[in-house]
Amino acid sequence: GAGVSQSPSNKVTEKGKDVELRCDPISGHTALYWYRQSLGQGLEFLIYFQGNSAPDKSGLPSDRFSAERTGGSVSTLTIQRTQQEDSAVYLCASSPSVGRILAKNIQYFGAGTRLSVL
Amino acid sequence: QKEVEQNSGPLSVPEGAIASLNCTYSDRGSQSFFWYRQYSGKSPELIMSIYSNGDQEDGRFTAQLNKASQYVSLLIRDSQPSDSATYLCAGTGNQFYFGTGTSLTVIP
Repeated sequence: GAGVSQSPSNKVTEKGKDVELRCDPISGHTALYWYRQSLGQGLEFLIYFQGNSAPDKSGLPSDRFSAERTGGSVSTLTIQRTQQEDSAVYLCASSPSVGRILAKNIQYFGAGTRLSVL
Repeated sequence: QKEVEQNSGPLSVPEGAIASLNCTYSDRGSQSFFWYRQYSGKSPELIMSIYSNGDQEDGRFTAQLNKASQYVSLLIRDSQPSDSATYLCAGTGNQFYFGTGTSLTVIP
């Protein structure tokens, strides 16, 4: 596709249920990021994938959160036993690469998944 | 200390005025900087990037970088109501990090 695609666009779930959020990055982009944005707040970094390197998981808020990236392309963010404080917009972004060619660091964002935990 | 600090605002300017948005960063190793605009309920979109000291202009937007003082700024000339949004400053060092954003309102 032309841009970063995220699905679903909206997800309503009950407290305690597991959810999976999907991100399709721009074709050829090696770097992929997940962020969380609560209402009226800034972007909270969650996790970062770069090529075949081990992901940077330093932003994951608890062990209920995990993410994987299969085949260096599609990524899935999983939240287990959801809590009401997990309600937010989850944004995915991709960039061509990260490194010395600085222009390739530009991140392109998907439209996000709005998660509501009842 | 956060890697990138922004004044959260809100910043209000009249239509036609210059809006000045500022950002400071802590990582001296940061090499490139970006300004993103985020309309309410939408995703961030890139509006400017800057890698070298000095000014970089694109239409009504000018990004300024001062590595010695570790600040980045964005000037919006002839501000329009459609510029009303949250502006996020971002930088790259060992990681890519965003500021919390500055809310700008342009008053008609």
